Amino acid sequence: DIQMTQSPSSLSASVGDRVTITCRASQGIRNDLGWYQQKPGKAPKRLIYATSSLQSGVPSRFSGSGSGTEFTLTISSLQPEDFATYYCLQYNSFPWTFGQGTKVEI
Amino acid sequence: QVALVQSGAEVKKPGASVKLSCKASGYSFTSYFLHWVRQAPGQGLEWMGRMNPGPGDTIYAQKFQGRVTLTRDTSTTTVYMELSSLTSEDTAVYYCARTSFKDSFDVWGQGTMVTVSS
Repeated sequence: DIQMTQSPSSLSASVGDRVTITCRASQGIRNDLGWYQQKPGKAPKRLIYATSSLQSGVPSRFSGSGSGTEFTLTISSLQPEDFATYYCLQYNSFPWTFGQGTKVEI
Repeated sequence: QVALVQSGAEVKKPGASVKLSCKASGYSFTSYFLHWVRQAPGQGLEWMGRMNPGPGDTIYAQKFQGRVTLTRDTSTTTVYMELSSLTSEDTAVYYCARTSFKDSFDVWGQGTMVTVSS
């Protein structure tokens, strides 16, 4: 199985901050990497697919980058509605696996 | 609009089975895969398996092999997930989610809470 190591597990930030979350895959996954945002009691919401493609309707302050085994989600200017938990997902090979999550707190 | 609507919360005793449903609407049912993902309270997301509704073939995570069964009814555009031999560790919210070929989950159901308790 491909292990996805996500860091940090939590972070504290302020509105307007630039935030970076990283996922490292235990083996190469090409660009088969997505990022999800989850708020309490809600289903995850896709932000990024194929490493860097922005989901329709998602604000442009979210961006993704990387390749192979190292991937990054960046929020360029944190907004109040961005406080949530973020997960990466590799869908290169079964079983699909998620990172452990990053909780972004005030 | 595209939607996945899941069945309601369940409470089961240890050793029992549970069968959840996920009804798809607003798109061609046989053109997308449907997956199941679960999330234990306060924990992360865990992929369980995938159904290809057209031919009906499935892929399961090794962890759940032998305990999980995905089926579908094309006449009602519904996918079912049955999990057997439940233990307290199966207490979780179970989500269905859609993907196209070589893509990630773009649409999710609202989730179904399953509580396993004696």
